[in-house]
Amino acid sequence: AQSVTQLGSHVSVSEGALVLLRCNYSSSVPPYLFWYVQYPNQGLQLLLKYTSAATLVKGINGFEAEFKKSETSFHLTKPSAHMSDAAEYFCAVSDGFPRAAGNKLTFGGGTRVLVKP
Amino acid sequence: GAVVSQHPSRVICKSGTSVKIECRSLDFQATTMFWYRQFPKQSLMLMATSNEGSKATYEQGVEKDKFLINHASLTLSTLTVTSAHPEDSSFYICSARVVGGTEAFFGQGTRLTVV
Repeated sequence: AQSVTQLGSHVSVSEGALVLLRCNYSSSVPPYLFWYVQYPNQGLQLLLKYTSAATLVKGINGFEAEFKKSETSFHLTKPSAHMSDAAEYFCAVSDGFPRAAGNKLTFGGGTRVLVKP
Repeated sequence: GAVVSQHPSRVICKSGTSVKIECRSLDFQATTMFWYRQFPKQSLMLMATSNEGSKATYEQGVEKDKFLINHASLTLSTLTVTSAHPEDSSFYICSARVVGGTEAFFGQGTRLTVV
C-alpha cells in the first residue's frame, strides 16, 4: 500500500520568490513519483516524474523535484514564482511499475499556491 | 503529449435522471482508463479502473450500480451516473495511460451539478 502526504494545504509566495511544496510518501515497492498541476475547473497536467533514474528531476515551467529515499520525500521547487504558477499542485505515487497500464496513482491532498504581486 | 478529451465539461441535470460522461484518448490507444471524483478543495479519489472489453474494477465504497462504466473500445470509456442525486454533484476526471508509458494523461474534467 502507498500513501502521499503533502505538508501545507495552502502556500503563499511573492512573485519572484522561491516556491517549495513538500511531499512525503510511503510505499511498499520502489516508488514512482509524480507532480501534477491543476488549474481551476481543469484536469491535471504533469509537471515532472521520477521513475528511478536521476534523483533530481526537471520538469516543465521551471519546476524541479528531488527524490530523497532516506527522507521518503519528493519536494517540488521553483526558484522564482510567476503569477501564472497560481494553481493547485498534487503529488502522486504509483502502486507499481508505471509501465503496467493498470497500476493506479495515489494522490496527496493537494497544495494550493497563491502568488502575490 | 497524448491527449485525453472529456465531454461534457459541465452538465446540470435534475434529480433522478442519468448523466453520461465520455472520456476519449485522441491520439493513442488506452487499454486502461481511470475515473476519479474530486470534491471542492480536495484531492482526487479513484472511483474505478476501466478495462477495455471487460468489467470495471471499482474501489471500495463506490456503488457500481450507480456509477456505470463502459469501456467499449481502446479509445473510449464512459461513466454514467444513474438516478443522480444532489450529493452526486462533483468534479469527475478521467485519465488514461499509454500502453508501455510511465505517465497518466488526464481529461479536462466534468463539473456535474444535480438540482
